[in-house]
Amino acid sequence: DAKTTQPNSMESNEEEPVHLPCNHSTISGTDYIHWYRQLPSQGPEYVIHGLTSNVNNRMASLAIAEDRKSSTLILHRATLRDAAVYYCIQRETSGSRLTFGEGTQLTVNP
Amino acid sequence: DTGVSQNPRHKITKRGQNVTFRCDPISEHNRLYWYRQTLGQGPEFLTYFQNEAQLEKSRLLSDRSSAERPKGSFSTLEIQRTEQGDSAMYLCASSPPLAGTAYEQYFGPGTRLTVT
Repeated sequence: DAKTTQPNSMESNEEEPVHLPCNHSTISGTDYIHWYRQLPSQGPEYVIHGLTSNVNNRMASLAIAEDRKSSTLILHRATLRDAAVYYCIQRETSGSRLTFGEGTQLTVNP
Repeated sequence: DTGVSQNPRHKITKRGQNVTFRCDPISEHNRLYWYRQTLGQGPEFLTYFQNEAQLEKSRLLSDRSSAERPKGSFSTLEIQRTEQGDSAMYLCASSPPLAGTAYEQYFGPGTRLTVT
């Protein structure tokens, strides 16, 4: 079973920032937080991951709470191409599988 | 294109028939995964290979299903005596032999199976 909880859906306007929340209250000290997204009719795509510190890459930023029980994926300027299902995944260090939940369907309005 | 490829992209079959899907991972990726996804749900893990060794299988991989990766490169997933409940998107992913634990998985476009 998925160990994270996310809102079913969120809406944003184009060129505005988007903050996608995720709760992972059962996270252990060595579990990583991964984010993937899935565009329509495509396989999932890696977005970002982190352990304790906030992380930035060309796609997004990941803000992890100090107690690590929640995190927020930040898209700094949403585009129509960012409309997708976003999955937050709590991943064991020794695990091979990704355990997806139902994710958050992000709608971006022009 | 050097991404993960899957064939066929779509498969329609009648109940009771056997089907086989193929996955070609990114070159030099030694880890390969199969997932299954039904409408409105996130992908669910089926099985995992490291090189040619199948290291993990999920309970979702039914007795009628088997996966192979004989030479540690491409993989096949076979479903025998298909049932309507097998209708789903079958996704393949691969990841490189990096040290450490936070490696990402690269997914293919999937094979959509429809059992009539």
